[in-house]
Parts: sequence; structure tokens; C-alpha cells
Amino acid sequence: EPEVTQTPSHQVTQMGQEVILRCVPISNHLYFYWYRQILGQKVEFLVSFYNNEISEKSEIFDDQFSVERPDGSNFTLKIRSTKLEDSAMYFCASSDPNGRTTDTQYFGPGTRLTVL
Amino acid sequence: QKEVEQDPGPLSVPEGAIVSLNCTYSNSAFQYFMWYRQYSRKGPELLMYTYSSGNKEDGRFTAQVDKSSKYISLFIRDSQPSDSATYLCAMSATETSGSRLTFGEGTQLTVNP
Repeated sequence: EPEVTQTPSHQVTQMGQEVILRCVPISNHLYFYWYRQILGQKVEFLVSFYNNEISEKSEIFDDQFSVERPDGSNFTLKIRSTKLEDSAMYFCASSDPNGRTTDTQYFGPGTRLTVL
Repeated sequence: QKEVEQDPGPLSVPEGAIVSLNCTYSNSAFQYFMWYRQYSRKGPELLMYTYSSGNKEDGRFTAQVDKSSKYISLFIRDSQPSDSATYLCAMSATETSGSRLTFGEGTQLTVNP
């Protein structure tokens, strides 16, 4: 069964450093998402992306964040200058607009980001 | 007031019990309701998707939506130890792809053999 994959599974970085989190969405999906989950808190929406543009973004997704689809398979989240409060699990998701259930979002296993 | 409220538990039941998980919401724009299951160190996995008030059944799982009360439930019949996980309710205002999901905090469930 197709699945969303994410790399790395765990990323440790120093405060102020740039990080890039990588995702490979399900191959025929056209919408891509990033969510984050701070330890002990709820899953929060960051951004959705379609046709090489941001569809929607949350208040969390400020100028420190950017997303990109650099090629036909990868979808990345970049944090330019990490802060301690960016430590969280980051989930990538994708959905198929022609699917049986329009907005079914399929999630990857997550990347745990630790900012020291 | 939080947009979506969910009792985080933890909830511990014996094998075979009926489990009831619930969420309330305040945003009447929410029209589409989902339940995700999340095992430890894994991403959320979709269990149920509903968009109207009433019940929807899938095997041992029943999702119930009451839009007038802004209340949704997930029932698990004949619970199994493999059902032990965190259950997340999620909601969306539209069916349009690209829309954000708003999650509850998740309820941690343990089913004891």
C-alpha cells in the first residue's frame, strides 16, 4: 500500500541553524501538507501546498518557514533559523483531490526535530 | 474556548469492552469530521470520515456526529489490545482539498488483555 515517507526520522540541531525536513508524498497525490505536534500537545496545521503554491497557511507558518517541491517526488519544509520552541514532531501529509473521500489526508511517520 | 476539545484520558479498559471517545467543538463552520488513530512514534492513520449528522459504521467502529450539539463520538466494540493507541478527532470546514484539519488533543486508550 502506498505511503508517505519522511526523512530523517530524528534531526538534532543547534538554535539558529537551518534545517530541511524531507517528505515523499504518495505518488499520485497533488495536495501536500505539513503539521507539527509539540510534545504533549495537539497536532497543528502549518501549511498546505498545491500546484507549486501555498494553498493555506496557519499563524505559526511565519517567515522562518518555507516549503518547496524541488522535484517530482519530494516535498520539503525549511526552517531558516531554528528556535528552541521549534522542537516538535513534524508530520507531512498528502491527499488526492480525485479520491473517494476528497480531503482524506494520509500522514507520514514524522520527523522529530530537537533544537538545542 | 478551544475550537476542539477532547479528553486526553488516559482511558484503560478490559479486552472486549465497548469504548466511547468524544470530542466537542465550538466552530459551527466545521462540517467534516474524522477520527485518526496514532500509535506511539507513528503518524496519524485515518479511521473514519463523516460529514453529516448521524451514525457511520465500519466493522467494530461507529462514528457518530451531532451537529446541533457540536459533539462527535467514536465507539469501538469488542475492543482488542491492538486498539491501544491515541485517538485523535479532526475537523474541517470544507471538503476542498488543501484545507486545514483542526485536531483535538487525542485520547490515549489502553485495552488490557
